[in-house]
Amino acid sequence: DVKVTQSSRYLVKRTGEKVFLECVQDMDHENMFWYRQDPGLGLRLIYFSYDVKMKEKGDIPEGYSVSREKKERFSLILESASTNQTSMYLCAAAGTGGFMNTEAFFGQGTRLTVV
Amino acid sequence: AQSVTQPDIHITVSEGASLELRCNYSYGATPYLFWYVQSPGQGLQLLLKYFSGDTLVQGIKGFEAEFKRSQSSFNLRKPSVHWSDAAEYFCAVGAGSQYGNKLVFGAGTILRVKS
Repeated sequence: DVKVTQSSRYLVKRTGEKVFLECVQDMDHENMFWYRQDPGLGLRLIYFSYDVKMKEKGDIPEGYSVSREKKERFSLILESASTNQTSMYLCAAAGTGGFMNTEAFFGQGTRLTVV
Repeated sequence: AQSVTQPDIHITVSEGASLELRCNYSYGATPYLFWYVQSPGQGLQLLLKYFSGDTLVQGIKGFEAEFKRSQSSFNLRKPSVHWSDAAEYFCAVGAGSQYGNKLVFGAGTILRVKS
């Protein structure tokens, strides 16, 4: 019954490393999202993609990039990890119209620690 | 810009007692409003949503929410809480953008249930 899968539950990386967070969905949805979750701040949108090879910045894109080469896979890239990127990262997928018209499904999250 | 305020960071209720989680939003037009729940170690799950029509919305797991435009509120309620309801609850507001992706979350309310 798995719909959105994030490749790692926990990651520990060193400052300056290039980090890849992977997300795969099995629902053939057009829209995919990366959120960052921090205590007291809720979820904040980093990037989203509405089609293969298409991407748009969210509210906090600085320090991140994304890649969507196939419909089912959406990768979040930290070009040079910093300690302030230590956080929980959540991936989501939704059909046409995004969150408004379809139910979005979230992955279980990747807890990234940058040391 | 749209925003969401959840005034209560933590709430503790006894099992069987009623529950109300508060949510206030700021948005100029008619809002799309959502409540999500995140159980420990899990991704977010949609409880209910409001777009238009009846201001009392029924959701899954026995939850309901009432939209009050005059108070800019969308409070979540449950008449009798179960221990399995212990989780973090997020209110969110969506703006009707082209891709339906502009979902802004509140900071969350952690619900504890005591037996």
